[in-house]
Amino acid sequence: QKEVEQNSGPLSVPEGAIASLNCTYSDRGSQSFFWYRQYSGKSPELIMSIYSNGDKEDGRFTAQLNKASQYVSLLIRDSQPSDSATYLCAVTDWWSGGGADGLTFGKGTHLIIQP
Amino acid sequence: DGGITQSPKYLFRKEGQNVTLSCEQNLNHDAMYWYRQDPGQGLRLIYYSQIVNDFQKGDIAEGYSVSREKKESFPLTVTSAQKNPTAFYLCASSPSPGLAGEEVNNEQFFGPGTRLTVL
Repeated sequence: QKEVEQNSGPLSVPEGAIASLNCTYSDRGSQSFFWYRQYSGKSPELIMSIYSNGDKEDGRFTAQLNKASQYVSLLIRDSQPSDSATYLCAVTDWWSGGGADGLTFGKGTHLIIQP
Repeated sequence: DGGITQSPKYLFRKEGQNVTLSCEQNLNHDAMYWYRQDPGQGLRLIYYSQIVNDFQKGDIAEGYSVSREKKESFPLTVTSAQKNPTAFYLCASSPSPGLAGEEVNNEQFFGPGTRLTVL
């Protein structure tokens, strides 16, 4: 059974600081890693994808992947109140039987940015 | 406008009824997925389809059925056999991944969701 673990929070961060979200996964065969943001009552919105070890930056967001440690993280710089949401980590094997399987999700970390 | 649409936004079902949730996409994506989300929980995979006229069971397929007759459409039926159907249902789609070893894009994009409540 594939598992993805996240600290449920809430994680409270002052406005303008760096928010650090972490995720571990159980399946060493996982190849694709995603971070989604979900506002209350809404559907998840993809904010970052990462496939190789190291860092990937997109605006205020940086995803970090360490496959040896089976660890994925998301950094949000200059945190804004609008970043307050639940952040879902998701993983998948990108090649299985001819196509992409579904994602395995963690339960999410609730992030609160304090003005 | 390119995107994924789901209907209805809210759906109420009586005990013993089957209901069908609609999912349509005009992104020309090959793969489509159905997930369910319960309060305070992550998403769990119900069914997925990588190509027209083919689909596979996910982790929690019991009590659900799907069809994929068109590339654009992937409806989900919640049958009376599903014992606890009240949940937030999310449809997603993804471009077809490349061959092994090539750069891959298997990002999944979600529709707005359908909230199903059993009365």
